[in-house]
Amino acid sequence: ETGVTQTPRHLVMGMTNKKSLKCEQHLGHNAMYWYKQSAKKPLELMFVYNFKEQTENNSVPSRFSPECPNSSHLFLHLHTLQPEDSALYLCASSQAAGTQETQYFGPGTRLLVL
Amino acid sequence: GQNIDQPTEMTATEGAIVQINCTYQTSGFNGLFWYQQHAGEAPTFLSYNVLDGLEEKGRFSSFLSRSKGYSYLLLKELQMKDSASYLCAVRDSNYQLIWGAGTKLIIKP
Repeated sequence: ETGVTQTPRHLVMGMTNKKSLKCEQHLGHNAMYWYKQSAKKPLELMFVYNFKEQTENNSVPSRFSPECPNSSHLFLHLHTLQPEDSALYLCASSQAAGTQETQYFGPGTRLLVL
Repeated sequence: GQNIDQPTEMTATEGAIVQINCTYQTSGFNGLFWYQQHAGEAPTFLSYNVLDGLEEKGRFSSFLSRSKGYSYLLLKELQMKDSASYLCAVRDSNYQLIWGAGTKLIIKP
């Protein structure tokens, strides 16, 4: 299943680094999502894009900056992160946001901030 | 506040049946999802319930009672590959998904 791909799969960065996570979906969907998954905690929704427009920002710190150039691609730009930002970052897509549609996930980027 | 509760971890034996429960308190209800997530992999969609009752899909079934705010995922004829985390999520009145922390299922031979 390669409907939603994410790169890199693993990332180690220092607190002063700048890096970007990439997500691409091949399902013809119009909505894309970033989630944070920490051990033994529920998935935390970070950002939602619907038809390339950001429709949700769940009080995410400005050190996380999303970018959605088109309906198939989604980026998460990272800068001056903190150790507590270490987590699995999951991208998902669905036909459209705010509907009954099922979300489909990528394999995630495992991020470690030192 | 909104809340989804599911057991943290369960253990079952290969070939047996296991039921994973999920209770929820949300602002409105527009469906309940179950996802399976193997370690280091993407959550994959298993089932969707929006009406009360049982939905069967092969070895997996999902049940919903909206009046009780309760669902369960039933796995039959367990196989070693069923060892994974099972995530319950409810879509609220704003069509946002509210997630449980997941149940880690361990299958023993």
